[in-house]
Amino acid sequence: DAGITQSPRHKVTETGTPVTLRCHQTENHRYMYWYRQDPGHGLRLIHYSYGVKDTDKGEVSDGYSVSRSKTEDFLLTLESATSSQTSVYFCAIRPGTGASGRDEQYFGPGTRLTVT
Amino acid sequence: GNSVTQMEGPVTLSEEAFLTINCTYTATGYPSLFWYVQYPGEGLQLLLKATKADDKGSNKGFEATYRKETTSFHLEKGSVQVSDSAVYFCALSDSGGGADGLTFGKGTHLIIQP
Repeated sequence: DAGITQSPRHKVTETGTPVTLRCHQTENHRYMYWYRQDPGHGLRLIHYSYGVKDTDKGEVSDGYSVSRSKTEDFLLTLESATSSQTSVYFCAIRPGTGASGRDEQYFGPGTRLTVT
Repeated sequence: GNSVTQMEGPVTLSEEAFLTINCTYTATGYPSLFWYVQYPGEGLQLLLKATKADDKGSNKGFEATYRKETTSFHLEKGSVQVSDSAVYFCALSDSGGGADGLTFGKGTHLIIQP
């Protein structure tokens, strides 16, 4: 158990509304990630963080923003949700301290988001 | 860029059958390779990993060998059980620059029948 929780676990929202998903970790890991999982695509990286207030874009970052004001929390915001953002969102941490990124990651339980 | 290719399935086997799930990759650097498993309604769990050529990762009866010459990391198990039914993801983590994060295959849905 990597001590990762995500909230909410399920959410239904309407097109055009803002949505924020929260990832919380208890072990002070420096690196945190947000992925989305869609049928036929596996998991794709949205954004990641390498420290407090240090974030960068991943493969599918359009329409998403992130913030990390504390080591333990990494927030993903959909500024104006669209139906194409209906997905399952996973947070992950990487316990390694090096910048090379070759270590494994550990995942939270996921948030299922439906945009109607 | 980086990519991972794996059979999508579903793959249906009988209990005690031999399992192989193929995984091949392309990477710009020298990647680490992983297999993750996802049970219904849950997050991904790390199943095994290998960090350099010819390394063999193993866990819970599953094995995979890092083959640099064929850029492959096939998952095998000698005798599957109904409880192995899940979705399996091959992934890589590359040190070759670019965005941090894992690159995943699309996942293989495995169904084991009693």
